[in-house]
Amino acid sequence: EAQVTQNPRYLITVTGKKLTVTCSQNMNHEYMSWYRQDPGLGLRQIYYSMNVEVTDKGDVPEGYKVSRKEKRNFPLILESPSPNQTSLYFCASSRAGGNNQPQHFGDGTRLSIL
Amino acid sequence: GQQLNQSPQSMFIQEGEDVSMNCTSSSIFNTWLWYKQEPGEGPVLLIALYKAGELTSNGRLTAQFGITRKDSFLNISASIPSDVGIYFCAGTSSGTYKYIFGTGTRLKVLA
Repeated sequence: EAQVTQNPRYLITVTGKKLTVTCSQNMNHEYMSWYRQDPGLGLRQIYYSMNVEVTDKGDVPEGYKVSRKEKRNFPLILESPSPNQTSLYFCASSRAGGNNQPQHFGDGTRLSIL
Repeated sequence: GQQLNQSPQSMFIQEGEDVSMNCTSSSIFNTWLWYKQEPGEGPVLLIALYKAGELTSNGRLTAQFGITRKDSFLNISASIPSDVGIYFCAGTSSGTYKYIFGTGTRLKVLA
């Protein structure tokens, strides 16, 4: 089954404790992306990756890092999480980036930073 | 960062009614996408639009890419209880691989 898998689905942690949210897709997609969803703000793109070793900032990259060492994986790293990063996070992938490739989303990771 | 203006923010309608929601942007978009999100899940693509003026249907859903390339609407005809969810528009503009999402329309259908 074609899917985007995120782990963990839920995490409560404390300020400053480094964490990583993993994302994996089994569709051989080139483009992968991370979003955060906050009430009243919709989804905002954090980082995206056009292909292996190619990443770029979205609209809200501050406080986040990503890496794309393999095509199927695109982890989101919070080196020193802060409470304003409490949010619902989604990973997405598509065959290629750009104008005509709709994205497939994972089921989300709810992060609470205390 | 750039955001799309999506309206209305929320709607309460009776089962069987038609629904209309729209998105506007201050800049030109090359693609308009409409997604639906149900509780505890990620957004799921409903309709993708690629050309100005394009009108596309998916069952009871119809969406149009505005002629100015700065807006799009989604209509749902004869709503049913399972239409409940949050509907998002999204788009990409020329020369960028960033996706911009609207703030969402929360739809509730009363049986």
